[in-house]
Amino acid sequence: AQKVTQAQTEISVVEKEDVTLDCVYETRDTTYYLFWYKQPPSGELVFLIRRNSFDEQNEISGRYSWNFQKSTSSFNFTITASQVVDSAVYFCALSEEEDGGSQGNLIFGKGTKLSVKP
Amino acid sequence: GAVVSQHPSRVICKSGTSVKIECRSLDFQATTMFWYRQFPKQSLMLMATSNEGSKATYEQGVEKDKFLINHASLTLSTLTVTSAHPEDSSFYICSATYSPTSTDTQYFGPGTRLTVL
Repeated sequence: AQKVTQAQTEISVVEKEDVTLDCVYETRDTTYYLFWYKQPPSGELVFLIRRNSFDEQNEISGRYSWNFQKSTSSFNFTITASQVVDSAVYFCALSEEEDGGSQGNLIFGKGTKLSVKP
Repeated sequence: GAVVSQHPSRVICKSGTSVKIECRSLDFQATTMFWYRQFPKQSLMLMATSNEGSKATYEQGVEKDKFLINHASLTLSTLTVTSAHPEDSSFYICSATYSPTSTDTQYFGPGTRLTVL
């Protein structure tokens, strides 16, 4: 069964601190995709990253970085030098590839609410 | 690119009425659209998946007759909440992809907040 666990419900940091959001997933498939989405107070989900199961290279995009470790089934997200605008709920999600290559559904974690204080 | 819009952004209605929410892909053709529901401070729950020109596939526990989904074109899907009740009050979010045969990225609309009085 697929499952995504974001154990941290809420995190509060002070501006300029680094913060890591944890994501642990469960799947029996060898082909799957992992995502991170940001949901600011406005409600709109913003796509941040997609990573497939065959690519374990870590990725950096500006102040954002992602650490994908298949050995521990984790896909953690780090924000460096956090800013107030980073305050949002962050969702980790998993999607498996179904038989025939069709798209599997996104399974979301419960989200981590990040508050960055000035 | 990959912009998805939803209309309306907010709607308040009386119990017993029906409400239609539109989801449009603005700059791409969406072969698959998804409808999610999000309760306050909770994660997103997939309600149904719709492919253009065919019937939607509903998740277990979602009433087909209550949540009518129509995906009439490659750029438009609608969700109609029929005979709405206060417990239907929620944040409804749609998403769209443009690749039916691979696990592609879902792009989300801004959401519609429904309040049923």
